[in-house]
Amino acid sequence: AQSVTQLDSQVPVFEEAPVELRCNYSSSVSVYLFWYVQYPNQGLQLLLKYLSGSTLVKGINGFEAEFNKSQTSFHLRKPSVHISDTAEYFCAVSDMRYSTLTFGKGTMLLVSP
Amino acid sequence: ETGVTQSPTHLIKTRGQQVTLRCSSQSGHNTVSWYQQALGQGPQFIFQYYREEENGRGNFPPRFSGLQFPNYSSELNVNALELDDSALYLCASRGGGLSGDTQYFGPGTRLTVL
Repeated sequence: AQSVTQLDSQVPVFEEAPVELRCNYSSSVSVYLFWYVQYPNQGLQLLLKYLSGSTLVKGINGFEAEFNKSQTSFHLRKPSVHISDTAEYFCAVSDMRYSTLTFGKGTMLLVSP
Repeated sequence: ETGVTQSPTHLIKTRGQQVTLRCSSQSGHNTVSWYQQALGQGPQFIFQYYREEENGRGNFPPRFSGLQFPNYSSELNVNALELDDSALYLCASRGGGLSGDTQYFGPGTRLTVL
């Protein structure tokens, strides 16, 4: 079984500032790692994913994440945020066999002018 | 390429009633999963269908059931609705069979149980 911990329920930040959303996971098997974004009253949109290879993964909208196996972390970063990045961000893991997702509780990113 | 679609968008039911939610998977995707997202929480896995058979189930009671059709579309049925069933229900599809790596989500159905 897997579990995901998103350490911050809410992250307030000013526009054009950098941001890091933290994610730690637990699993007894190798996993795939994902970040999804959810805008108000919408479904989930895939931001980026780590399957294998380079531990630094680039996604859409200028986001990137780094997989750290020793620390079982997959933190999401953006060097300069925009007002439009205000949304809920979910970290998720899946095992490599059945690919069902286990999500964290989400981090609300609040970008203000 | 058409993405994942779900219907209806919103639904209001009363306790004890039954509900059916529908999902059309993304073109070429043969695996469908359903998730329940309660307010303020992350999505929770309900079950997954591959080739019209349930293949994997989360910690949900049997009154949550589903179907997958030959065209890979899917239904989620919930019997004897309870207040705690109020949530956003998300459908996700993926290609590559059971080992396909990425799930793509629909917009969800918001169910309110009164």
